[in-house]
Amino acid sequence: QKEVEQDPGPLSVPEGAIVSLNCTYSNSAFQYFMWYRQYSRKGPELLMYTYSSGNKEDGRFTAQVDKSSKYISLFIRDSQPSDSATYLCAMWGNTGFQKLVFGTGTRLLVSP
Amino acid sequence: DTEVTQTPKHLVMGMTNKKSLKCEQHMGHRAMYWYKQKAKKPPELMFVYSYEKLSINESVPSRFSPECPNSSLLNLHLHALQPEDSALYLCASSLREEVDGYTFGSGTRLTVV
Repeated sequence: QKEVEQDPGPLSVPEGAIVSLNCTYSNSAFQYFMWYRQYSRKGPELLMYTYSSGNKEDGRFTAQVDKSSKYISLFIRDSQPSDSATYLCAMWGNTGFQKLVFGTGTRLLVSP
Repeated sequence: DTEVTQTPKHLVMGMTNKKSLKCEQHMGHRAMYWYKQKAKKPPELMFVYSYEKLSINESVPSRFSPECPNSSLLNLHLHALQPEDSALYLCASSLREEVDGYTFGSGTRLTVV
């Protein structure tokens, strides 16, 4: 079992839809949870950063963490074609050499 | 300045060549990282420089060698690479190694022929 599980997609939605992206994890040592957006052939860009269970909102983006279920989500409201990218969840914990562990990424396609 | 700058953006090299990738940040971050990313895969950590101390992923072959001339610069020296080393090489930095969101550069697309 991988430490972080994420559906690779692709996830195709029409413009304006609400998008839900999810990750599950198995290691209780993870303390911080992040979502990165990566456009093709570019580096990942940090979108959201959370610590505690609950919701955090930033514009059209809402990050949700449920530590008891080991489950995190990213919601995108009013999705735009410019949101088309790969979304990587990432989790940080004092877990050895690679403290920041990434999911495999979900490819999102928003059609006009 | 809130960026991590990587050069070159693209590099094609033969298996007998020696080349270097460069990474620079001026955010006062004290930890810098090299990642390797293959297509449709998550980034894999290769090296960490944190407070002038190098940590190595033991699975990375010796044909990759990092160098940190100062706290703002991180180089990755490449020698005798193999075609399977072709990938996107990403540099990142963070204020500290403990937590903090990592800021990534745009990467160097490396092709080994």
